[in-house]
Amino acid sequence: GESVGLHLPTLSVQEGDNSIINCAYSNSASDYFIWYKQESGKGPQFIIDIRSNMDKRQGQRVTVLLNKTVKHLSLQIAATQPGDSAVYFCAEIQRGKLIFGQGTELSVKP
Amino acid sequence: DAGVTQSPTHLIKTRGQHVTLRCSPISGHKSVSWYQQVLGQGPQFIFQYYEKEERGRGNFPDRFSARQFPNYSSELNVNALLLGDSALYLCASSLAGVFANEQFFGPGTRLTVL
Repeated sequence: GESVGLHLPTLSVQEGDNSIINCAYSNSASDYFIWYKQESGKGPQFIIDIRSNMDKRQGQRVTVLLNKTVKHLSLQIAATQPGDSAVYFCAEIQRGKLIFGQGTELSVKP
Repeated sequence: DAGVTQSPTHLIKTRGQHVTLRCSPISGHKSVSWYQQVLGQGPQFIFQYYEKEERGRGNFPDRFSARQFPNYSSELNVNALLLGDSALYLCASSLAGVFANEQFFGPGTRLTVL
């Protein structure tokens, strides 16, 4: 079936470094992608989104890149901080439903 | 302003019982969606309600049902509980549908089925 998946389940980075979290999707018809951050004991929090007619979108310290050729999505976090430690999910809109991937746990070392 | 609220925060049930989970959306939001999040996985879509009507349903058995009230709050009901129903149940609200608007998630209800 169609799915949104992540390359790595865990990522450990040094405080101040840049983080890159990757995501592969299989439905080439998807036209809207979202990154969520989920901290322990909380629900997912919207970070940034991108539509399929774009290949890059920037927010505050975050950038999402979309490569439709290889069906790959990435989230870049600049100057990673301890508060960025969380599980990050990519998600796509598929047949009117929000479909989440498995998640990558980001751990920031001081 | 209050965000999305869910009750209860934790719940323990035994197999075969039923459960009702509650969600209050952000004021002004008319759409509520429910998700099941099993430990270590991403949330899975269960239902979406907009203006008190079901607008979407995920791949869940008929034991799962939901409704939305005139004040836009919502209940998720699960009958004949199975061990596999143990999960974090998340509610999200948005102004309208999933496509157009950002969804705001509540903290979830942690359901444990023994």
